[in-house]
Amino acid sequence: NAGVTQTPKFQVLKTGQSMTLQCAQDMNHEYMSWYRQDPGMGLRLIHYSVGAGITDQGEVPNGYNVSRSTTEDFPLRLLSAAPSQTSVYFCASSYSSDNVLTFGAGSRLTVL
Amino acid sequence: GENVEQHPSTLSVQEGDSAVIKCTYSDSASNYFPWYKQELGKGPQLIIDIRSNVGEKKDQRIAVTLNKTAKHFSLHITETQPEDSAVYFCAASSNTGNQFYFGTGTSLTVIP
Repeated sequence: NAGVTQTPKFQVLKTGQSMTLQCAQDMNHEYMSWYRQDPGMGLRLIHYSVGAGITDQGEVPNGYNVSRSTTEDFPLRLLSAAPSQTSVYFCASSYSSDNVLTFGAGSRLTVL
Repeated sequence: GENVEQHPSTLSVQEGDSAVIKCTYSDSASNYFPWYKQELGKGPQLIIDIRSNVGEKKDQRIAVTLNKTAKHFSLHITETQPEDSAVYFCAASSNTGNQFYFGTGTSLTVIP
């Protein structure tokens, strides 16, 4: 039982490049979400999903895309990276939106 | 939407003393209130949670209290130890809102 697995752990991009942050969970959780963490701003929700085929926007969705084709996977795509997207990204999953949220170890992204 | 405020942003205590972190929320529909501990370079981990039908919950040295009328909840850590040093986040969610709302975090330092 690996929990929530995020890859890569570190990534450096140039402005305008695209990339995908991967997130996989093996707990059969229906609810999955992506957060970004910036100094002094806590955890801000980017996108979330309540089940396969269903996604919705959170507080800071601009510049990011998501899809949920399977229960296990919830990738986050940056279409054209900007320096403002330099951050630490966390994927988290839960059985539901009012249940224990399990976080991955994080992905540190730097956009030059 | 929900607004969660957390205080203080930093807290230093002597080893063995108690630490208290307070959060307020705005949405009366919120019914689940978890607390997370984040150690340096890691993802947040749940340490204790409480639901709106309970006023207090305790787990060894950690306790959480909830005042639904005043819309605030607090984390209490007794007999603090150096390994309690970390960033702590409060959060609020509901089974209808599909989102977790996090406070901005409290950096706790326990001085040996």
